[in-house]
Amino acid sequence: EPEVTQTPSHQVTQMGQEVILRCVPISNHLYFYWYRQILGQKVEFLVSFYNNEISEKSEIFDDQFSVERPDGSNFTLKIRSTKLEDSAMYFCASSDVSSYNEQFFGPGTRLTVL
Amino acid sequence: GQNIDQPTEMTATEGAIVQINCTYQTSGFNGLFWYQQHAGEAPTFLSYNVLDGLEEKGRFSSFLSRSKGYSYLLLKELQMKDSASYLCAVVPSYNTDKLIFGTGTRLQVFP
Repeated sequence: EPEVTQTPSHQVTQMGQEVILRCVPISNHLYFYWYRQILGQKVEFLVSFYNNEISEKSEIFDDQFSVERPDGSNFTLKIRSTKLEDSAMYFCASSDVSSYNEQFFGPGTRLTVL
Repeated sequence: GQNIDQPTEMTATEGAIVQINCTYQTSGFNGLFWYQQHAGEAPTFLSYNVLDGLEEKGRFSSFLSRSKGYSYLLLKELQMKDSASYLCAVVPSYNTDKLIFGTGTRLQVFP
């Protein structure tokens, strides 16, 4: 069964450093998303991406965040200068039809900012 | 604002039936999802409702009333492996595909 994959599973970084979280969505999917979940809190939407551009972003997704689809398979989330409050589980998701079909979530990357 | 409410925790016994409720107040509505999330893992899809009524899928059923802003997830013949968090998520309008999640309901199934 096709699945979304994410690397690394766990990333530890120093405050102020740049991190890139990587995702490989399901191959025939066209819509891509990043969500985050701070420990013990709810899953929060960060950004959606379609046709090589951001279609929507939340208030959390400020200038420190960017997304890219550098090739036909990868989808990345970059945080330019990490803050302590960026520590969270980051989930990538993909879907093949916007809004009318399920979003398939990857296993997540646990980001710890020290 | 967008608000989705679920009970924080529930407990039940193996073999029993449990109903997890979700109420929502969002700027619009274009569908409601239920996801299961085991600790430290990704959410996995359980059900989707966009019209009023009951959707049944094996041991799991989900109900939606749009006029009441209310949904429930019904789990029958509970098994120990059903111990997990159950997340209610709403698509808050027709021109978005983002999911707005509730805080989730942690279900513990006891033998």
